[in-house]
Amino acid sequence: AQSVAQPEDQVNVAEGNPLTVKCTYSVSGNPYLFWYVQYPNRGLQFLLKYITGDNLVKGSYGFEAEFNKSQTSFHLKKPSALVSDSALYFCAVRVIDRGSTLGRLYFGRGTQLTVWP
Amino acid sequence: DAGVTQSPTHLIKTRGQQVTLRCSPKSGHDTVSWYQQALGQGPQFIFQYYEEEERQRGNFPDRFSGHQFPNYSSELNVNALLLGDSALYLCASRSNTGLLPLHFGNGTRLTVT
Repeated sequence: AQSVAQPEDQVNVAEGNPLTVKCTYSVSGNPYLFWYVQYPNRGLQFLLKYITGDNLVKGSYGFEAEFNKSQTSFHLKKPSALVSDSALYFCAVRVIDRGSTLGRLYFGRGTQLTVWP
Repeated sequence: DAGVTQSPTHLIKTRGQQVTLRCSPKSGHDTVSWYQQALGQGPQFIFQYYEEEERQRGNFPDRFSGHQFPNYSSELNVNALLLGDSALYLCASRSNTGLLPLHFGNGTRLTVT
């Protein structure tokens, strides 16, 4: 069965420090992995995706993620955090159910990132 | 270029009532999905529509139904509302011929009292 785990409910970092938000996955076949960000009372905004190719994926707002197949992880990173990065971050994996050719996203529970000045 | 738009933004209903939520996909997108996000949880897949048909469904009861119109817009209907249906309902769209990602709207906050 497919699953996504975000082991930390909350991550706190100081502005200017590097940040990491962790994600591990379990999926049949090759994984399609995504990171989304959600600000209060808003929908989800796409940050980046891994489909194939380089294990280091660069996305929006200076974020990047590293795909590690052996550890089944897809951690989100940023070299220097900003206060404005404070938000809820979701990792997701594409799932293709039996009998369907369309994919859907299976989300983790989310990690609240707080960056203090 | 308008993104995914949802209406209304907020809604308060009473247990047992019925509700309809609406979604217009991003321009150029023809596939619409609906997700339920309960407080403190990640979004959960309800169903997906393409070519005016429900193509895929998550683990939600039949009280949840939907529709897709020829202009690709979509509705989510929930009958016999329960307190547990209180959540943020997110609509997402994509092109069926393109790769993901999904593009999400800002959601409809449904409160059932």
